[in-house]
Amino acid sequence: DAGVTQSPTHLIKTRGQHVTLRCSPISGHKSVSWYQQVLGQGPQFIFQYYEKEERGRGNFPDRFSARQFPNYSSELNVNALLLGDSALYLCASSLGLANQPQHFGDGTRLSIL
Amino acid sequence: RKEVEQDPGPFNVPEGATVAFNCTYSNSASQSFFWYRQDCRKEPKLLMSVYSSGNEDGRFTAQLNRASQYISLLIRDSKLSDSATYLCVVTPGDSSYKLIFGSGTRLLVRP
Repeated sequence: DAGVTQSPTHLIKTRGQHVTLRCSPISGHKSVSWYQQVLGQGPQFIFQYYEKEERGRGNFPDRFSARQFPNYSSELNVNALLLGDSALYLCASSLGLANQPQHFGDGTRLSIL
Repeated sequence: RKEVEQDPGPFNVPEGATVAFNCTYSNSASQSFFWYRQDCRKEPKLLMSVYSSGNEDGRFTAQLNRASQYISLLIRDSKLSDSATYLCVVTPGDSSYKLIFGSGTRLLVRP
């Protein structure tokens, strides 16, 4: 079975632009979470969606938004990009039960120039 | 204070050595605990869950001390392929789905 898939793999943007990152969860997984990982740090929680509803939001500005589709895939949108948004963006899926481990995709490496 | 704290390392050990990593967490209500492994520029991968009774998976042993809010990972007979960053992960315990990561401990196993 396919694991969590993310696209694109790499992306280069300039300040002020917006970006959309995509994620398809493991088949049968209904929960998708997004994390941001900057160099030298562990991943930081951005959003969690389950059954198309937002179930959790981390400490990120309103420039960050996300949604989940009926097929459980998800998009993360970031507007008005800043240099500090340069990071590895990770998507993780799980069955949807709380306090369970999550399985990560390869991530999208976003560079802001 | 960070929610999950780890010694960043790096731990530089010879093949065959035993190495231990420690992690502390600040929220006494944390419910679930995991160790993830992350190779350079790759995604985190679940290594093992950590249970109160302690658990072992081959060369890896994880321990949890709830009273001290302390988690450990022991790797026996280190292999070159164990070189990676090890991330300590907890859940907040409020029926949340999010994972809270430490910054990771880097392990280098040399020939």
